[in-house]
Amino acid sequence: GENVEQHPSTLSVQEGDSAVIKCTYSDSASNYFPWYKQELGKGPQLIIDIRSNVGEKKDQRIAVTLNKTAKHFSLHITETQPEDSAVYFCAASWVSNQFYFGTGTSLTVIP
Amino acid sequence: EAQVTQNPRYLITVTGKKLTVTCSQNMNHEYMSWYRQDPGLGLRQIYYSMNVEVTDKGDVPEGYKVSRKEKRNFPLILESPSPNQTSLYFCASSFWTGGGADTQYFGPGTRLTVL
Repeated sequence: GENVEQHPSTLSVQEGDSAVIKCTYSDSASNYFPWYKQELGKGPQLIIDIRSNVGEKKDQRIAVTLNKTAKHFSLHITETQPEDSAVYFCAASWVSNQFYFGTGTSLTVIP
Repeated sequence: EAQVTQNPRYLITVTGKKLTVTCSQNMNHEYMSWYRQDPGLGLRQIYYSMNVEVTDKGDVPEGYKVSRKEKRNFPLILESPSPNQTSLYFCASSFWTGGGADTQYFGPGTRLTVL
């Protein structure tokens, strides 16, 4: 099956700085790569996603890039704010409809 | 309000006592799935369903059963729970196109403890 690795496991940044989280995947057939944000005591919530026919996608302060050749994708958060503090998960899926998640990154934005 | 609901939210039980965790969505989604979340392991998919009467195993299906008799409901059944099934469980749903699953909406989670 697919294997998704996520780094770093913890990340602390100053408010206003950028944060980058990286994931690698093993199955070249994967074609859908969502990112989820999980706040304490809540279920994960999609923040951005990208499909394999696109190299980059942006939504305000959040962007995702995909490098199919290297089999890695990254989440970029610019101008971080304290409310960005949460656990972030990447995931990969392909036509089998199975989802494989990374192990999560705990992001702390220091005011 | 569009949502995925799970019940119960918290459950403490004993080894071997059958239990069911319910999941319901009101968004007319075809795709539904169960995950377990354990510290350091992220979310792992247990079972998923692409429509009524269509279910398939995820990455960690051992010890679990599911059924999909109605489009809106996808219960998770533990017929003989064991302590290693102590975990935080999430149900999720999404539309499903021919090209695969779409944005998944997650429920609030069920924290299960098996003594």
